[in-house]
Amino acid sequence: EPEVTQTPSHQVTQMGQEVILRCVPISNHLYFYWYRQILGQKVEFLVSFYNNEISEKSEIFDDQFSVERPDGSNFTLKIRSTKLEDSAMYFCASIYNIEAFFGQGTRLTVV
Amino acid sequence: AQSVTQPDIHITVSEGASLELRCNYSYGATPYLFWYVQSPGQGLQLLLKYFSGDTLVQGIKGFEAEFKRSQSSFNLRKPSVHWSDAAEYFCAVGRGTSYDKVIFGPGTSLSVIP
Repeated sequence: EPEVTQTPSHQVTQMGQEVILRCVPISNHLYFYWYRQILGQKVEFLVSFYNNEISEKSEIFDDQFSVERPDGSNFTLKIRSTKLEDSAMYFCASIYNIEAFFGQGTRLTVV
Repeated sequence: AQSVTQPDIHITVSEGASLELRCNYSYGATPYLFWYVQSPGQGLQLLLKYFSGDTLVQGIKGFEAEFKRSQSSFNLRKPSVHWSDAAEYFCAVGRGTSYDKVIFGPGTSLSVIP
């Protein structure tokens, strides 16, 4: 069964460093998303991406965040200068026929 | 804007007992509704979804949910809980297009007593 793959599963970074979270969506899907889940809290929408551009973003997705699909396969989330409060689980998802397929997540720890 | 509430933060049930997790949504039109389960340290797995038609939907792992438009509810049920059902359960709502994002509720943590 096709699945969304995220790497790495866990990343530890120092405050102020840049991180790139990677996702490989399901191959025939066209709509991609990033969500964030701070430990013990709800899953929050960050951004949606279609046709190589952002279609919607939340207020969480500020100038420190960016997304791109550099090679038509990978879908990346970049955090330019990480803050302690960016520590969270980040989920990538792709949507096909209404159903969202989620990756296993990347746990980002900012120290 | 759509929103989702899950009134119960944490529920504890005995193994073999029945389960009902509550979900209420706010959306002006007919929503797309989902239940996801998250085991500790894991991703989100879709249990079931409702788009239209029969208001009682069956999902995986023996779960079902009923859409009640008059109550703006989409409660999740299981007749007999297993210890492996202990997890976090999220109700989610979509805006009714095939590609739109889903908005998650705050989640209900389920503990199962042997």
